[in-house]
Amino acid sequence: GNSVTQMEGPVTLSEEAFLTINCTYTATGYPSLFWYVQYPGEGLQLLLKATKADDKGSNKGFEATYRKETTSFHLEKGSVQVSDSAVYFCALRFWGAQKLVFGQGTRLTINP
Amino acid sequence: EAQVTQNPRYLITVTGKKLTVTCSQNMNHEYMSWYRQDPGLGLRQIYYSMNVEVTDKGDVPEGYKVSRKEKRNFPLILESPSPNQTSLYFCASSPGTNTDTQYFGPGTRLTVL
Repeated sequence: GNSVTQMEGPVTLSEEAFLTINCTYTATGYPSLFWYVQYPGEGLQLLLKATKADDKGSNKGFEATYRKETTSFHLEKGSVQVSDSAVYFCALRFWGAQKLVFGQGTRLTINP
Repeated sequence: EAQVTQNPRYLITVTGKKLTVTCSQNMNHEYMSWYRQDPGLGLRQIYYSMNVEVTDKGDVPEGYKVSRKEKRNFPLILESPSPNQTSLYFCASSPGTNTDTQYFGPGTRLTVL
């Protein structure tokens, strides 16, 4: 079946550190890929997306590239801030369907 | 302001006592969905609705019911809650089939004793 696997958390970094959160997927076909972010006490918000191979999604300094050959969509940011502390979810969705298939989430804490 | 609202935000109840979690969106979205979030499992879909009077099961529908009598509302009903339904619940909506953005509510934390 279709599934998403994220790196185990929690992840703790210092401010201005480089961030990578790994995400790999298993899917029949070519889904769209997403990163959602959940700030404390809030619902999920779309952070970025990519709809086909080699697409790069970017937003708020975060980037992720759709790699079909490695079935990956790793999230990166060059210099994290305390305000980036949140839970990050990788997800996939197929064209014509609305259901999102989520990874288990990665809790990120940034210390000043 | 465009939003998805859920009520209550927090609920502690006992086994077997029927409860309803409400979800409402003000964006005239056709699609609505319920997810539960559990540690180490991410979010899993419970039920979804493509439009008024059209609902279908997601991946973990056991123990839940839904209804969609109006476009804006999509309540989640637990007829006889059990402790394994203790979870964080999210309602989501989107305009239609091929749009990428889903809007999530703030979540309802349910504890069943």
